[in-house]
Amino acid sequence: KNQVEQSPQSLIILEGKNCTLQCNYTVSPFSNLRWYKQDTGRGPVSLTIMTFSENTKSNGRYTATLDADTKQSSLHITASQLSDSASYICVVSVDWGYQKVTFGTGTKLQVIP
Amino acid sequence: EAQVTQNPRYLITVTGKKLTVTCSQNMNHEYMSWYRQDPGLGLRQIYYSMNVEVTDKGDVPEGYKVSRKEKRNFPLILESPSPNQTSLYFCASSLSGVAGRLETQYFGPGTRLLVL
Repeated sequence: KNQVEQSPQSLIILEGKNCTLQCNYTVSPFSNLRWYKQDTGRGPVSLTIMTFSENTKSNGRYTATLDADTKQSSLHITASQLSDSASYICVVSVDWGYQKVTFGTGTKLQVIP
Repeated sequence: EAQVTQNPRYLITVTGKKLTVTCSQNMNHEYMSWYRQDPGLGLRQIYYSMNVEVTDKGDVPEGYKVSRKEKRNFPLILESPSPNQTSLYFCASSLSGVAGRLETQYFGPGTRLLVL
């Protein structure tokens, strides 16, 4: 069964600090991995998309890494801001010709002053 | 502005009263999908559509119907809603949905449904 597990479930950090969110997956055949940011009460917004051949992908202060051998990914947030408070969702796609996705349950990040 | 819109945003209904949640995108996307999001669970796919008149079941299709008569619209129909369908629903679209094309999936703002 395809699964995507994220840790921690929730995290509180001080504004300006860095943090790293983890994603482990058991998905086959792997197509790509995405990280989304979801503000409370809103739809997810794409941050990064990576294939198995990519190790790192950045989007501003967000940097995602992927280790396809160990089936692990991380999202590193640098110099956090209050606006980073949101849920971060790891999404893995399988290649069935069309894109079949499995969502993680997300990490809820709260950045406090 | 490129966007996915959903209506209504909030809905309270009673068991058994048919309802439709509309979804529309203005990006000429072929692929559209419906998800539900429940506390402690990741988003789960209900139905998806690869193109007009082409729809298929996702992971949790029971109790739902969809139609795709036009490229831009993908309504979600609950023929006889039950309390276990109380959830936050998202519509999403992407250009083709073909694996390997690394297309961004755009989500709507969500519809919060309460079935009493």
